[in-house]
This record gives sequence, C-alpha cells and structure tokens, in this order.
Amino acid sequence: EDQVTQSPEALRLQEGESSSLNCSYTVSGLRGLFWYRQDPGKGPEFLFTLYSAGEEKEKERLKATLTKKESFLHITAPKPEDSATYLCAVQAWGGSEKLVFGKGMKLTVNP
Amino acid sequence: EAGVTQFPSHSVIEKGQTVTLRCDPISGHDNLYWYRRVMGKEIKFLLHFVKESKQDESGMPNNRFLAERTGGTYSTLKVQPAELEDSGVYFCASSQFHSGNTIYFGEGSWLTVV
Repeated sequence: EDQVTQSPEALRLQEGESSSLNCSYTVSGLRGLFWYRQDPGKGPEFLFTLYSAGEEKEKERLKATLTKKESFLHITAPKPEDSATYLCAVQAWGGSEKLVFGKGMKLTVNP
Repeated sequence: EAGVTQFPSHSVIEKGQTVTLRCDPISGHDNLYWYRRVMGKEIKFLLHFVKESKQDESGMPNNRFLAERTGGTYSTLKVQPAELEDSGVYFCASSQFHSGNTIYFGEGSWLTVV
C-alpha cells in the first residue's frame, strides 16, 4: 500500500530562519510527488510536482527536491506569510491517478 | 480563468438527511476528482472521473455516497442518508487529460452532520 509520512508535524520558525520539511514515501512505482500549500479554511494550492530522483524545483523561497525514498521542501529565509500547512502527496503508476496524501506539516513563521 | 468551484461552502444537516455537493472543474479539464478530509486525518481519495465516466471509485466509503458527472462537465456528490462520521471537508480537484499532472483543488465543501 502506498504511504506518505511527513515530519515534523508542526514547526515554528523565526522570520529569516531557514529549514527543511521532510516527506518520506513508499510507492509501488512513483508517477509523481506533489507539494501543496493549504491555508486555514482553504483548499490545497499547488506548488510543485517532481517526477524522478534528483529533480529539483524552485518557487520564490521554496525549493523541492526528490530522492528515491523522500522529498524535502526547503524554505529559505521564510516570512510570516509562508505560514501554512504544507502537504505532500504521491501518485503511482498503474491505473489509478489518485493522490495519496500525508497528514501535512503546519508551519508557523513568527515575525 | 476561474478555478475549481465548489458549492455549498458550508452545510450543516441532521443525521439521516440528504446533502448534495456540487463541483465545477476548470473549463476544459477532463479529469475530476473527489477527496475528503475528516477531523484529524489526512486527505483521502474518493473517486475519479474522466469526462463522464467513473475511472476509479475505490475510495468511496459505502453505498450512501453517489457521485455523478452528467455530460462531463460539473459533478455532484450526494450523501444519503448522512451519518455523523460523514462530517468533514470534501474537496474537488481537476486536471487536463495530458497536463503534466498539475491537479488543482477547490476550496472545499465543509459538511457537518449533527
């Protein structure tokens, strides 16, 4: 069964304090690994899709990387507006296009 | 361009009643998905339409849930009769058929069964 584990569950940072969020996964055959941002009361907002080990993608202060077992979301010099829940999900090859999500990681950036 | 639109945004119903949730995908998106998040749990897949056809309904919890997508445009998810454990937020998502796998989510329909 495909599985996603995110750690830590919650993280508090000071503004400007860089850190990384971890997403460990097991999947029968990785079609894509997705990162989403979710604000309270809102739907998941698409950030990145990674397809193969070694791939990296960047967007403003965020950089996502992928290995064969995990993905990292690096946040460089975060700002209070980066506070949100970050979700990781995997999609496997083989018929279904469903995403399997982790529980998410709540990030709080204090000014 | 409008995003994925869901209605209603919030609904409170009594146990045993019926609720119908609606999703309008992004125009031109053939793939439409329903997901659900119940309290304290991760977001879980319910089903996937390609146009009007159900491609995968392996996540539907039981036969109290009925999803339709007539004409391959908007979709409805009906819960009848609703139970307390059906409370949660229901998300709809859509993507183009060969989009490079960008899947866009709506804001969700928050359902409370009392």
